[in-house]
Amino acid sequence: NAGVTQTPKFRVLKTGQSMTLLCAQDMNHEYMYWYRQDPGMGLRLIHYSVGEGTTAKGEVPDGYNVSRLKKQNFLLGLESAAPSQTSVYFCASSPGTAHGYTFGSGTRLTVV
Amino acid sequence: GQSLEQPSEVTAVEGAIVQINCTYQTSGFYGLSWYQQHDGGAPTFLSYNALDGLEETGRFSSFLSRSDSYGYLLLQELQMKDSASYFCAVIRSDSSYKLIFGSGTRLLVRP
Repeated sequence: NAGVTQTPKFRVLKTGQSMTLLCAQDMNHEYMYWYRQDPGMGLRLIHYSVGEGTTAKGEVPDGYNVSRLKKQNFLLGLESAAPSQTSVYFCASSPGTAHGYTFGSGTRLTVV
Repeated sequence: GQSLEQPSEVTAVEGAIVQINCTYQTSGFYGLSWYQQHDGGAPTFLSYNALDGLEETGRFSSFLSRSDSYGYLLLQELQMKDSASYFCAVIRSDSSYKLIFGSGTRLLVRP
């Protein structure tokens, strides 16, 4: 089973450029999440979705947008990248139980 | 607001026992989870406490006391491969099942 797949794994952007990170899960999970992790810190929630067609803001949503057009995919967009968005981005999915998160392997994004 | 506090770093010797504490200031959560993350890797689930008390999973145990807003992860018979970062996280009991993470504890296991 693939679980949660993130693409791309690495990316370097110039300030002001835009890009979309893709998260795909094959576990039929309803809930999907985008986190960012900065060096030496925990994961902070950017946006999340409780089902197809729904999205909501997390702790640090500014500068990001998301879409969940299909249940298995959750897209994270950066419209105008800034150096402060240099981070490792993790996607996760959950069946909606109190445990059972599955994380993707992460996308390492550098904005120069 | 909500916050989870953990020690930033812990060092222990191979074969020993180590306890990583987590204190929190939050309400409205299902339980406390623990995740392990090796350098360059993704977080992986270790343990979950829905109720007060001790949960044991092999060499790892986790404890929760809601009245004390406190939990810990206990690692026994430490191995070199246990060197990693460990995060406590609460699961919000609204409809989102959001995981809110602590800042993590870096465990270094020495020979």
